[in-house]
Amino acid sequence: DTAVSQTPKYLVTQMGNDKSIKCEQNLGHDTMYWYKQDSKKFLKIMFSYNNKELIINETVPNRFSPKSPDKAHLNLHINSLELGDSAVYFCASSPLREDTGELFFGEGSRLTVL
Amino acid sequence: RKEVEQDPGPFNVPEGATVAFNCTYSNSASQSFFWYRQDCRKEPKLLMSVYSSGNEDGRFTAQLNRASQYISLLIRDSKLSDSATYLCVVNIAYGGATNKLIFGTGTLLAVQP
Repeated sequence: DTAVSQTPKYLVTQMGNDKSIKCEQNLGHDTMYWYKQDSKKFLKIMFSYNNKELIINETVPNRFSPKSPDKAHLNLHINSLELGDSAVYFCASSPLREDTGELFFGEGSRLTVL
Repeated sequence: RKEVEQDPGPFNVPEGATVAFNCTYSNSASQSFFWYRQDCRKEPKLLMSVYSSGNEDGRFTAQLNRASQYISLLIRDSKLSDSATYLCVVNIAYGGATNKLIFGTGTLLAVQP
């Protein structure tokens, strides 16, 4: 029973298209995140939501719009895709506790923009 | 300068070897520290937390030096299954109980038979 699940796992699309990635966690965690891992394997935080409220927005272009309908879901919509958006996008969740370092990651969604 | 810096490697070591990874961080507001492991084409997973007093988990030992803003991971008696990328992670104070984990670029370990 997958704790953090993302769909789709693979996405190949043309520049200029709009696409969405969905994420769901069944761990009962309050906080969810989106991270981007680029071709150099650098994992960078994009957004963090706490119980549906946006907490962290790391100067991500506004073509990226996260949406959290409830605390178990955090979806990512990307408009007008660019070549540089090609990456693996990881969703993660964690309990709302100070100093916890344990993020539970989904398996990642590999986006390729042609 | 990146907030969390690591030697990217790769570190190629024979089975049974001892290998050490180092990491430095730039934000003195960093509150807590961790090592994650990421296998090829998989998601990162928490390996262990790092405490100032040093901590050990089986063959793995982690150390933190707050004064030097330096973190280390020692792996003894390397196994083939230890081959992975090891990510140094720092939790930056963000206010309240919100965690902002900053990942290093990772160090690739390849254990050879």
